[in-house]
Amino acid sequence: AQKITQTQPGMFVQEKEAVTLDCTYDTSDPSYGLFWYKQPSSGEMIFLIYQGSYDQQNATEGRYSLNFQKARKSANLVISASQLGDSAMYFCAMREAGTALIFGKGTTLSVSS
Amino acid sequence: GAGVSQSPRYKVAKRGQDVALRCDPISGHVSLFWYQQALGQGPEFLTYFQNEAQLDKSGLPSDRFFAERPEGSVSTLKIQRTQQEDSAVYLCASSLEAAPATYEQYFGPGTRLTVT
Repeated sequence: AQKITQTQPGMFVQEKEAVTLDCTYDTSDPSYGLFWYKQPSSGEMIFLIYQGSYDQQNATEGRYSLNFQKARKSANLVISASQLGDSAMYFCAMREAGTALIFGKGTTLSVSS
Repeated sequence: GAGVSQSPRYKVAKRGQDVALRCDPISGHVSLFWYQQALGQGPEFLTYFQNEAQLDKSGLPSDRFFAERPEGSVSTLKIQRTQQEDSAVYLCASSLEAAPATYEQYFGPGTRLTVT
């Protein structure tokens, strides 16, 4: 069974609009971390935001926020005020204690002017 | 400060050749991970080192793949007798600590391997 599911292969948004990228996960470990990475066409993986399983508040980093709904096992990324430079592939990933990251298949975000 | 570096950035190999991919992690980072990313897919775990010890190699797709980190810093991923299905981007990541799930992994730029 897939541990990380990203159901949106592609998303399209106009500049200055907000966009939500979906991610659901599956784990029986009570301690885990959820991460979002951005991968532009140049190929590097850029860390955006992190949410720990015990964190009470949703994580925020500038224009990025993570909508963490533990009971639903979802960790959606919200990007406010989209910019052209946000066009990239976005990956949701999970890490259980002592393990490597498990990535979803990614969502391609296209921002137009 | 210096991030994770990888070399070469691009490698073209003929089927059957051996290749060696290098990763220089961030200084002082205990953990080092190798991932394989096929075109249009998310990265998939290959192997993990804590210092010089290879703690998990469950993701290596075959015995043609071998990784080492002899002094607990630089790591090399070697692929013997390359096949076309080995064509992918190979990403290296390092992390300050290993066990806690919270620690961020810092990725290198990757090596794009094309097997012809």
